Amino acid sequence: DAGVIQSPRHEVTEMGQEVTLRCKLISGHNSLFWYRQTMMRGLELLIYFNNNVPIDDSGMPEDRFSAKMPNASFSTLKIQPSEPRDSAVYFCASSPGVSYNEQFFGPGTRLTVL
Amino acid sequence: QKEVEQNSGPLSVPEGAIASLNCTYSDRGSQSFFWYRQYSGKSPELIMFIYSNGDKEDGRFTAQLNKASQYVSLLIRDSQPSDSATYLCAVSQGNQAGTALIFGKGTTLSVSS
Repeated sequence: DAGVIQSPRHEVTEMGQEVTLRCKLISGHNSLFWYRQTMMRGLELLIYFNNNVPIDDSGMPEDRFSAKMPNASFSTLKIQPSEPRDSAVYFCASSPGVSYNEQFFGPGTRLTVL
Repeated sequence: QKEVEQNSGPLSVPEGAIASLNCTYSDRGSQSFFWYRQYSGKSPELIMFIYSNGDKEDGRFTAQLNKASQYVSLLIRDSQPSDSATYLCAVSQGNQAGTALIFGKGTTLSVSS
């Protein structure tokens, strides 16, 4: 079975540019979580969805960040305009829809904003 | 503010020894607890989860939970150099699918051969 798929794996962009990160859930899972990881702040939850519905976006740092889940298996995280302080590794994780809430992480996208 | 605290380390142990990693959490309503391993440059990988007070063993790993003390630990027996990684403790308020996890900042473990 394929795990969580994220693209791109690396993104280097200039301040002010739009960045779109993509995530495909594990087949059969219906919860999706976006995290950001930095050395200073560790792993922070940005937003999560259950059955395509956003449940909690309180971790989204600013209005520059937005996330969508247009269907049951795919999500995007957009940053517009990007700033150097957005540089981090962004992880997407999915969770199955029954019983327990273990989360399985994708490989991450390393974002560098110059 | 719900918090999960871990000693950042590094925790250094010789090969074959027992490594003990500890985690405390602030929310008494927390119900499920997870240990993730993260190698440098890689994503977190789930290695253990525990819901009930007591011990849960899986191979060389044992998770221990004490809800009264709000304390969860991970023991790694017969530590190997390949166990060198950062270990993240995560806590959830519920057991249902789709409940958010709160992560600690992790403890770095170094196993020397």
